[in-house]
Amino acid sequence: AQKITQTQPGMFVQEKEAVTLDCTYDTSDPSYGLFWYKQPSSGEMIFLIYQGSYDQQNATEGRYSLNFQKARKSANLVISASQLGDSAMYFCAMRDPDNYGQNFVFGPGTRLSVLP
Amino acid sequence: GAVVSQHPSRVICKSGTSVKIECRSLDFQATTMFWYRQFPKQSLMLMATSNEGSKATYEQGVEKDKFLINHASLTLSTLTVTSAHPEDSSFYICSAPWAGETYNEQFFGPGTRLTVL
Repeated sequence: AQKITQTQPGMFVQEKEAVTLDCTYDTSDPSYGLFWYKQPSSGEMIFLIYQGSYDQQNATEGRYSLNFQKARKSANLVISASQLGDSAMYFCAMRDPDNYGQNFVFGPGTRLSVLP
Repeated sequence: GAVVSQHPSRVICKSGTSVKIECRSLDFQATTMFWYRQFPKQSLMLMATSNEGSKATYEQGVEKDKFLINHASLTLSTLTVTSAHPEDSSFYICSAPWAGETYNEQFFGPGTRLTVL
């Protein structure tokens, strides 16, 4: 079994500043992948970034980057230069090895509010 | 990237009625699709795995006779909430895995918001 923990139910950040959203995970698999999704109020799940456990470098996608610390089992999402449109729920997720790694298990999420 | 659609996006029904939600993969075939449920201010929880040509598998605590799943083709899975009650009011999201170039990604439908009066 695996578990995803996101310890920040809510976060506030000033527009144009950077913010870090925490994610820790627990898995016994040597090979795994971590995903971050954004869910605005409309409900759609928007894929942001992926980090593979064997990737040599931390993943980056535009303003999104991952601070991946494998030994600590953490994969924190860093959003640089926050924008008002970044206000949303953010979920950290992993593939579920109990279902052949196809479906995801999600953390509880962090609600990010960007202040003007 | 791949696209998954859901219909309807929003439905309001009376208690005791049945509601059908469709999930379609528009530009790829999905032998497996997943149905998640999300209650307000909570995370997504897997309800069931929909398998084309075979019975769905349900997560513990999910009533298979209440949440009927039919994976009729390689591009369509349906979730029918039978005899809906107010406690079934939730946001239902389907997804389908797709093998990308470097990793297996999950493509989500836009979700269906069900309100049972």
